[in-house]
Amino acid sequence: SQTIHQWPATLVQPVGSPLSLECTVEGTSNPNLYWYRQAAGRGLQLLFYSVGIGQISSEVPQNLSASRPQDRQFILSSKKLLLSDSGFYLCAWSPKTGDGYGYTFGSGTRLTVV
Amino acid sequence: AQRVTQPEKLLSVFKGAPVELKCNYSYSGSPELFWYVQYSRQRLQLLLRHISRESIKGFTADLNKGETSFHLKKPFAQEEDSAMYYCALNSGGYQKVTFGTGTKLQVIP
Repeated sequence: SQTIHQWPATLVQPVGSPLSLECTVEGTSNPNLYWYRQAAGRGLQLLFYSVGIGQISSEVPQNLSASRPQDRQFILSSKKLLLSDSGFYLCAWSPKTGDGYGYTFGSGTRLTVV
Repeated sequence: AQRVTQPEKLLSVFKGAPVELKCNYSYSGSPELFWYVQYSRQRLQLLLRHISRESIKGFTADLNKGETSFHLKKPFAQEEDSAMYYCALNSGGYQKVTFGTGTKLQVIP
């Protein structure tokens, strides 16, 4: 069966420090991968999505970047964190075949920038 | 641009009472709609999809294109239904899903 792993679960980082959040998927190949940020009262905001290795699309301009170095690995990064980067980050995957399948989400990373 | 509106931040109902979580969408194409649920200390997970026309955990949702709505309903609420519910719209070829702001359902014993 397919599983998605996301780590770390929580992270406290100082302003100006770098960031690297990792997400890996098992049990499937060539998935679509997504990074979302979940904010209280604001729902989930799509940050990046990827349809293949090295293919990244950004939905909103921001201080973050994403990379997909391997088929089932998706990384969210920042060179210098801002206070506004604090939030709950979710990774998700979906298969390419069959519209309407929906997402499978990771357990999330709670990032606090201090 | 696509938009999903969930007008209620919090919905409190008594156990055994009917539940209706509202969702309206704005999209010019043919929508694919979903409900996701997040129970306390659990992952966000898919509850149901409109294309499946299924009932999951007693919940159903009917797509009403005339009213651009996809309300989630359950005839008799249970305490274990207490959770955060998100309505979502797939409007992109790569399943770029737009989420609503969520409704917290609180079932009072």
